Amino acid sequence: DAGVIQSPRHEVTEMGQEVTLRCKPISGHNSLFWYRQTMMRGLELLIYFNNNVPIDDSGMPEDRFSAKMPNASFSTLKIQPSEPRDSAVYFCASKRERTNTGELFFGEGSRLTVL
Amino acid sequence: GENVEQHPSTLSVQEGDSAVIKCTYSDSASNYFPWYKQELGKGPQLIIDIRSNVGEKKDQRIAVTLNKTAKHFSLHITETQPEDSAVYFCAASPRSYNTDKLIFGTGTRLQVFP
Repeated sequence: DAGVIQSPRHEVTEMGQEVTLRCKPISGHNSLFWYRQTMMRGLELLIYFNNNVPIDDSGMPEDRFSAKMPNASFSTLKIQPSEPRDSAVYFCASKRERTNTGELFFGEGSRLTVL
Repeated sequence: GENVEQHPSTLSVQEGDSAVIKCTYSDSASNYFPWYKQELGKGPQLIIDIRSNVGEKKDQRIAVTLNKTAKHFSLHITETQPEDSAVYFCAASPRSYNTDKLIFGTGTRLQVFP
C-alpha cells in the first residue's frame, strides 16, 4: 500500500518566491494534517482538514501561508512570499478516523530552504 | 490549549540498558497519548499509544505509563539496541467533539551505543 506521498522532497528557493508543497493522503483517510518541524520548535501543527474541510488553521503562522484540499486525494500548502525563517521540514499526515485517537501516518516530508 | 513538555532532549545509553523519556501535559481533558519514533530522513511513526482509562501498556520491549493525576506519561525502552537510536516524540490529544488535534512534545534524541 502506498503511504502518504509528498512532493517535492527538497526545495531550495530564494526569499520572496512562491513555494507550493503537495500531499497525497492514504486512500480512505478522512483527516489530513500539515505539520512543520524545526530544531527550535519541534513539530508544530499548522492546519488540518476533515473530509476536505479546514477545521483548525490556528497554527498557520501568518497570511503568507495558505492550504487547500480540493478533493480527498490532494492537498497543497503554499507560502507566498517565502522568507528565510520558513526554512523547515514540512510534513503531511493522514488518519482514517475522525476522532482524536488513532494512528497518524506521516509522509517523508518536504525539506524547504529559503535563501 | 494543550501544551506538552518532554525531557530529556537528548539521551545516550549503552546497548542493553534501559531508556526512559518523560512528558507532561497541561490539558486535563486530554485522553489519548501516543508515542512516535522518527528515524533520520523519515516521517514520525507510531510505536505505542495509551488512552486515559489505562495506566500502563506494554508491547515487547517498550512500555508506556500514564499518571492522570500528575498529568504525566513516560516511555520505557528495555534492552535497548542500536536500531532504537532515533528521535522520539510524545503527544497528547484533547477529547473534544470538534477537534482531533495532536500536540507533540519537542522530541528526545536517543543514541544507543554498541
